[in-house]
Amino acid sequence: AQSVTQLGSHVSVSEGALVLLRCNYSSSVPPYLFWYVQYPNQGLQLLLKYTTGATLVKGINGFEAEFKKSETSFHLTKPSAHMSDAAEYFCAVSTGTASKLTFGTGTRLQVTL
Amino acid sequence: GAGVSQSPSNKVTEKGKDVELRCDPISGHTALYWYRQSLGQGLEFLIYFQGNSAPDKSGLPSDRFSAERTGGSVSTLTIQRTQQEDSAVYLCASSLVEGFHYGYTFGSGTRLTVV
Repeated sequence: AQSVTQLGSHVSVSEGALVLLRCNYSSSVPPYLFWYVQYPNQGLQLLLKYTTGATLVKGINGFEAEFKKSETSFHLTKPSAHMSDAAEYFCAVSTGTASKLTFGTGTRLQVTL
Repeated sequence: GAGVSQSPSNKVTEKGKDVELRCDPISGHTALYWYRQSLGQGLEFLIYFQGNSAPDKSGLPSDRFSAERTGGSVSTLTIQRTQQEDSAVYLCASSLVEGFHYGYTFGSGTRLTVV
């Protein structure tokens, strides 16, 4: 079985500040990891994914995430927050033996002036 | 179509009534997935289709829930005898081939409210 824990249901940062959204996973086999973003009243949009290869993954809108096997983490970062980054962010894991993704409960990012 | 289309976008129904939610995937996408998003519960997998067959329906919460897909395209999620705990946003996603690593494209969802 696989699971995802997102620490902090709400995160608030100032515009221009570092964004750090935490994700830890549990998986009995090598995981495939994803971050999705959801804007109000919209579906989920893929930000980035880790499948194999380089552990530092760059995504859209300036976001990146690093897969750290020793820490079972896949934290999402952005050096400088923008007002348009305000949304809900979901971390997800799949083990590759099934097609479904297991999602965390999400982190709502607020960006203040 | 250009994206995954879901209808209706909002549905209010009375407890005990049946509802049908529709998903129109991206043309050519063979895999289709249904998820449920409840407040504070994250996204919960319901069922997965490859073509018209459903190799994984392990997430359907009860026998009141069923889904079908026809012509390898449109899918319908049916909830019979709706209960208040069924209130949620139901999201559909499709992908080009079976497999998470290609990424899913999600629709905007159907917000179901059972009163």
